[in-house]
Formats: sequence, C-alpha cells, structure tokens
Amino acid sequence: KQEVTQIPAALSVPEGENLVLNCSFTDSAIYNLQWFRQDPGKGLTSLLLIQSSQREQTSGRLNASLDKSSGRSTLYIAASQPGDSATYLCAVGEYGNKLVFGAGTILRVKS
Amino acid sequence: GAGVSQSPSNKVTEKGKDVELRCDPISGHTALYWYRQSLGQGLEFLIYFQGNSAPDKSGLPSDRFSAERTGGSVSTLTIQRTQQEDSAVYLCASSTGTVYEQYFGPGTRLTVT
Repeated sequence: KQEVTQIPAALSVPEGENLVLNCSFTDSAIYNLQWFRQDPGKGLTSLLLIQSSQREQTSGRLNASLDKSSGRSTLYIAASQPGDSATYLCAVGEYGNKLVFGAGTILRVKS
Repeated sequence: GAGVSQSPSNKVTEKGKDVELRCDPISGHTALYWYRQSLGQGLEFLIYFQGNSAPDKSGLPSDRFSAERTGGSVSTLTIQRTQQEDSAVYLCASSTGTVYEQYFGPGTRLTVT
C-alpha cells in the first residue's frame, strides 16, 4: 500500500527566505505527483503537476522536482511571502489517477 | 471559467439519517473523484468515475456509501444511516482524463450529531 510522508510537519520562516518542502513515497509505480496548497477552511488549489516521465516543473516562484527511483519529491519556494502561508500537500497519482496524499506541511511566513 | 462546485457547503445531520452531497465538475471534464478529509485520517480517496466506465469504488469505507454520476456530469455521493465517524469534509475533484491535473471543489463539511 502506497504511503506518502511529508517533512517537516510544520515550518515557520521569515519573509524573503527560500525554503524546501519534502515528500517521500514508498511505491515508485506512480502516474504523476501533484502539489497542492490548502488555506484554512478551503478546498485544495493545484500548484504543480509532474508526470512520471518528468523530472521537474516550474511555476513562478515554485519549483517541484521528482525522483521516482528514490521515491522523493521536493517543492522549492523562492523568496517566500506572508501570502504563501498555508498547508502544502503532496499527492501521488496511482492507477486511474487516484491520489494518495501526505499529511501536509503547515507553512507560516512571518512578515 | 467556472470551477468545481459542491453543495451544500455545510450539512449537519442526526445520526442514522441519510445525506446526499452534490458535485458539479468543470464542464468537459471526463474524470470525477470523491475524497474525504478528516482529522484522524487525513485526505483519502473514496471513488472515481471516468467517462462511461464502471466507477472505481475501492475507497468507499462501507456499503453505506454510494455515488452516482448522471449524464457524465453531476455526481451525488450518498451516505445512508450516517454515523458520527462520517463527520468530515467531502471533496470532489475533476480532470480532463485520468493522467491529468485534478481540480478540487470547496468541499462539503458534514457534521453528524
């Protein structure tokens, strides 16, 4: 059974710092990996999708990498802002693209 | 364009009652997924529909849960004889296919008293 782990569970940084969120998964037979953010009381907002054949994706200040063989992904956030404060969720897509989620990293960016 | 919508946004029900939760996917999206998010279990997959294929129900926690998708669009998740452990946020997502990005709705918060 696929298990997804996110480290750290929580992170507090001053505004302007670059930061890395980590995600690991136990079964490398994945279709894709998707990073989401979730604001309190809200649904999930998709940030980046990496297909299993890809190594990384970039969107603005965000960069996500995927190393399928080692079962790892990282989300890099450059020049963090208070508006980046949210819970970040990593999810791996299995057959049919059923997503298996990690528990999330709660990020707080202090101004 | 319009995103995924869900109704109601909040539902409070008494233990033992049946509830129906609705999801309107993004127009043209052929794949539709239901997940639930609870404090103890995190986010977990429930069921998905792809086009006219039989749904994958492998994540449904018990036979009290069922879902249907009418006309390849709107979906309804039904929970019969609700229990307190059913209290959670139920999230719906849609995508253009089974390898593509999933877009989530705002969720329905279900509270069983």
